[in-house]
Amino acid sequence: GENVEQHPSTLSVQEGDSAVIKCTYSDSASNYFPWYKQELGKGPQLIIDIRSNVGEKKDQRIAVTLNKTAKHFSLHITETQPEDSAVYFCAASIGYTGNQFYFGTGTSLTVIP
Amino acid sequence: DTGVSQDPRHKITKRGQNVTFRCDPISEHNRLYWYRQTLGQGPEFLTYFQNEAQLEKSRLLSDRFSAERPKGSFSTLEIQRTEQGDSAMYLCASSLGDKTYEQYFGPGTRLTVT
Repeated sequence: GENVEQHPSTLSVQEGDSAVIKCTYSDSASNYFPWYKQELGKGPQLIIDIRSNVGEKKDQRIAVTLNKTAKHFSLHITETQPEDSAVYFCAASIGYTGNQFYFGTGTSLTVIP
Repeated sequence: DTGVSQDPRHKITKRGQNVTFRCDPISEHNRLYWYRQTLGQGPEFLTYFQNEAQLEKSRLLSDRFSAERPKGSFSTLEIQRTEQGDSAMYLCASSLGDKTYEQYFGPGTRLTVT
């Protein structure tokens, strides 16, 4: 099955700086890559996603890039704010089949005011 | 759109007892997923339904676990003879299905087995 690795496990940045989280996947059949934000005691919240036919997608301060050849994708958060502090998870799936998501182990992001 | 809801939010039970969790998906979402999340880890897939049909089960879903979605709306996850290793957050997600890929998660049920 799919194996998703995520780095770093923890990340601290100063408010206003950028944060980058990287993930790699193993199954070349994976074609859908969502990112989730999870705050303490809550369920994961979908923040952005990308399909394999697109190399980059941006939504305000958040962007995701995908390199299918290298099998890696990254989350970029610019102009970070204290409310961005949370655990972020990447995931991969063969989207069109309705299959399960394979999640990374998470990155705990702390934005220091 | 009220989102995915789960009940209860927290459950403490003694080893050997049975527990049941409920998930109500977003209305009109025909796919429903159960995941388990342990501390410091990402969610791990347990099983999924398309309408009332259970289409896939993970090897993590031992014979003590059973899930149902009898009318294609809400779902229940039952754990029989709970063990301390069952302590985790149980997450439910739903998806519209067809050509949409996005899964939306509920707040989870945190199970503690003492």
